[in-house]
Amino acid sequence: DGGITQSPKYLFRKEGQNVTLSCEQNLNHDAMYWYRQDPGQGLRLIYYSQIVNDFQKGDIAEGYSVSREKKESFPLTVTSAQKNPTAFYLCASSSPGQPVGKLFFGSGTQLSVL
Amino acid sequence: SQQGEEDPQALSIQEGENATMNCSYKTSINNLQWYRQNSGRGLVHLILIRSNEREKHSGRLRVTLDTSKKSSSLLITASRAADTASYFCATDAWEYGNKLVFGAGTILRVKS
Repeated sequence: DGGITQSPKYLFRKEGQNVTLSCEQNLNHDAMYWYRQDPGQGLRLIYYSQIVNDFQKGDIAEGYSVSREKKESFPLTVTSAQKNPTAFYLCASSSPGQPVGKLFFGSGTQLSVL
Repeated sequence: SQQGEEDPQALSIQEGENATMNCSYKTSINNLQWYRQNSGRGLVHLILIRSNEREKHSGRLRVTLDTSKKSSSLLITASRAADTASYFCATDAWEYGNKLVFGAGTILRVKS
């Protein structure tokens, strides 16, 4: 089945620790996105990438880092500099260009602080 | 930046009734999209309406777009308990580059 796979579903972070959230897609999409969702709120964009080896900061990039070494993969690292990391993280992909087409989402990773 | 604002924040209706959700935005857009999210899950795309379109249908969904008022509405007809979810509008605008900007969503509860 084509789609986006996020792992793990649940992740716990200790203070001072970096953690990495995985996002893999087999839709052959060039564009990939990371969003953060806090309870009862909408999605806020962390980082996005239109092509391999290139990515741009979104609205709330501080304390996060990404890489895009392969078309299929767009991992997100939540660094120790992110002081309030507890949230639901969603990865998405789409065909590139503007206007932006529809996004395909993964099932999300819930990150909590121990 | 939060371009879209949904109204109401929460809506509770009986099965069989219609549900209407509204979205207002601030800048000129290329298109507007509606997504659905079941609790604890990812978002699922419902419908995309372009700036030069006024109305679009998909099954029990009807979306309207009024660019003069910078607003859109999503109508779900003959609602079912399975329609219980959060619904988000998202806008694509030249001003915001190659990305969608989401609103805070409407929580819909359909009681059986």
